Amino acid sequence: DVKVTQSSRYLVKRTGEKVFLECVQDMDHENMFWYRQDPGLGLRLIYFSYDVKMKEKGDIPEGYSVSREKKERFSLILESASTNQTSMYLCASSHLGSGRSDTQYFGPGTRLTVL
Amino acid sequence: ELKVEQNPLFLSMQEGKNYTIYCNYSTTSDRLYWYRQDPGKSLESLFVLLSNGAVKQEGRLMASLDTKARLSTLHITAAVHDLSATYFCAVDIFGNEKLTFGTGTRLTIIP
Repeated sequence: DVKVTQSSRYLVKRTGEKVFLECVQDMDHENMFWYRQDPGLGLRLIYFSYDVKMKEKGDIPEGYSVSREKKERFSLILESASTNQTSMYLCASSHLGSGRSDTQYFGPGTRLTVL
Repeated sequence: ELKVEQNPLFLSMQEGKNYTIYCNYSTTSDRLYWYRQDPGKSLESLFVLLSNGAVKQEGRLMASLDTKARLSTLHITAAVHDLSATYFCAVDIFGNEKLTFGTGTRLTIIP
């Protein structure tokens, strides 16, 4: 069974702290994605990666960075957390394109609160 | 800029009734996805639509894609309570699997 796991379900941090969100997939997928989900806004793509050590900006990368040192792991970093980064963060993975019809598989999400 | 709009945003319907959720998008694409999200849970893939005229069905849900109209529909037949969830459509315009999501339709089935 396919599986995407995230390091924490709930996280509370203070303004200015450095925050690491970890995501691991066991499906040998090339692509990995980080989204944030906010009420009324749907899911918005923060960063994605097609391969190890590769990263590309999504629609809202400001205030975030990412790291992909191993194929199965994709980390989202908030260098200096701010209250407007309070949100649900979802990680996803998928096979690389080339006509494949694979969908994205999502992790359970991390609800981050920045005080 | 790609925009993906769903309507309605909220939908309450009685068990046994039929209804349709609409997903309009602003830029040409022939790759569209539907997901379901239960409260407090993550997203679950429902359908992948990859060409004009594609139709897929699973149980009481049927999804279709009209790329010329830039429209996808998710049709619910004889709704049952366990279909209550939020449904999202998502579009991939470049074929690079970078998805743009709609804002979601929150569906509540009333007994």
